Amino acid sequence: DIQMTQSPSSLSASVGDRVTITCQASQDISNYLNWYQQKPGKAPKLLIYDASNLETGVPSRFSGSGSGTDFTFTISSLQPEDIATYYCQQYDNLLRGTFGPGTKVDIK
Amino acid sequence: QVQLVQSGAEVKKPGASVKVSCKASGYTFTSYGISWVRQAPGQGLEWMGWISAYNGNTNYAQKLQGRVTMTTDTSTSTAYMELRSLRSDDTAVYYCARDTTMKYWGQGTLVTVSS
Repeated sequence: DIQMTQSPSSLSASVGDRVTITCQASQDISNYLNWYQQKPGKAPKLLIYDASNLETGVPSRFSGSGSGTDFTFTISSLQPEDIATYYCQQYDNLLRGTFGPGTKVDIK
Repeated sequence: QVQLVQSGAEVKKPGASVKVSCKASGYTFTSYGISWVRQAPGQGLEWMGWISAYNGNTNYAQKLQGRVTMTTDTSTSTAYMELRSLRSDDTAVYYCARDTTMKYWGQGTLVTVSS
């Protein structure tokens, strides 16, 4: 199975800061990489699909980039409502999926 | 609107089985697969597997092979996930979600395994 690593595991930033999370796959996954936001007690919410496509209705301060094995997720200006845990998720050509371990984002 | 509605919380003893349902509405059920994801208390998301609602093809996470079975009933637009030989570390919230890019999620089903 493809393994996903994510860093950092947690971060604390100020409102308005630029926040960057990286995700690395153990092998080439092309652009089959999604990003989710999860708040406590809630189901995850899809933010970015296929590495760089913003899901409908998601604020434009969220963005994603990358292909192959290395991916980046960015919040351009952190807002209080962005406090959550963020997960990357890959799916391979056999439709098997793996989540990264998650990054917990907090306000400083 | 697309909705996935899951069955209610379950409490099971070690060694037992659990079957969680996920009823879909608001779209053509056979046009998308269903993924199952679980989350143990305080832990991250774990992909369990995927089933095609079109033809029933499945892919399971390697660590669950032999203990998990995913099925669908197209007549009721419902997906099922059965997990057998339950252990305490299977205690988790179990989610269904539409397809491999999971835009729509069920509300989650808490399965507690305890003697």
